[in-house]
Amino acid sequence: AQKITQTQPGMFVQEKEAVTLDCTYDTSDPSYGLFWYKQPSSGEMIFLIYQGSYDQQNATEGRYSLNFQKARKSANLVISASQLGDSAMYFCAMRPNTGGFKTIFGAGTRLFVKA
Amino acid sequence: DSGVTQTPKHLITATGQRVTLRCSPRSGDLSVYWYQQSLDQGLQFLIQYYNGEERAKGNILERFSAQQFPDLHSELNLSSLELGDSALYFCASSASGGDADTQYFGPGTRLTVL
Repeated sequence: AQKITQTQPGMFVQEKEAVTLDCTYDTSDPSYGLFWYKQPSSGEMIFLIYQGSYDQQNATEGRYSLNFQKARKSANLVISASQLGDSAMYFCAMRPNTGGFKTIFGAGTRLFVKA
Repeated sequence: DSGVTQTPKHLITATGQRVTLRCSPRSGDLSVYWYQQSLDQGLQFLIQYYNGEERAKGNILERFSAQQFPDLHSELNLSSLELGDSALYFCASSASGGDADTQYFGPGTRLTVL
């Protein structure tokens, strides 16, 4: 069965420090996409970063990087130099290339950035 | 601003009623997705359309239906509403709908069923 697991319901990080949000996934599809989204308290879902299952290099987008370990089926999000505005819910998502292209989201991790 | 628009922003209605949520995708995007976000179920994929055709179906109830029109906007119809249908409903769009396609989300419609 396709599944995304985010084991950290909440995390605290000091401003300007780096933080890693964990995500593991389960799929038997050889081809899939992995995504991270941010949901601030205002409610909108903001796309952060994408990693393809066949990508050899870890994805990076500004202060966001994705630590992709395919054999371990993990896709952790690393946020460097945390800012107060990073306080939000973070969702990991997977989109298999088969099985109807259904996107599966994890339960999310709430990140609190302390000043 | 993702470029995806959703109307209305808020909707309050009574049990048993029917509502329609509307979504306009980003310019050039052919695929539209609907999601339901509730406290107990999290973010659930409902349905995907690509260029007017249904492409994938998730946990969408039979009381719910959707369509994508020739101008690519989409509507999600919710009928015989129950208290448990209260949730934030997101529309997202992407260019083509493949596994590598990034989905951009609209601001959501918050539905409250009283």
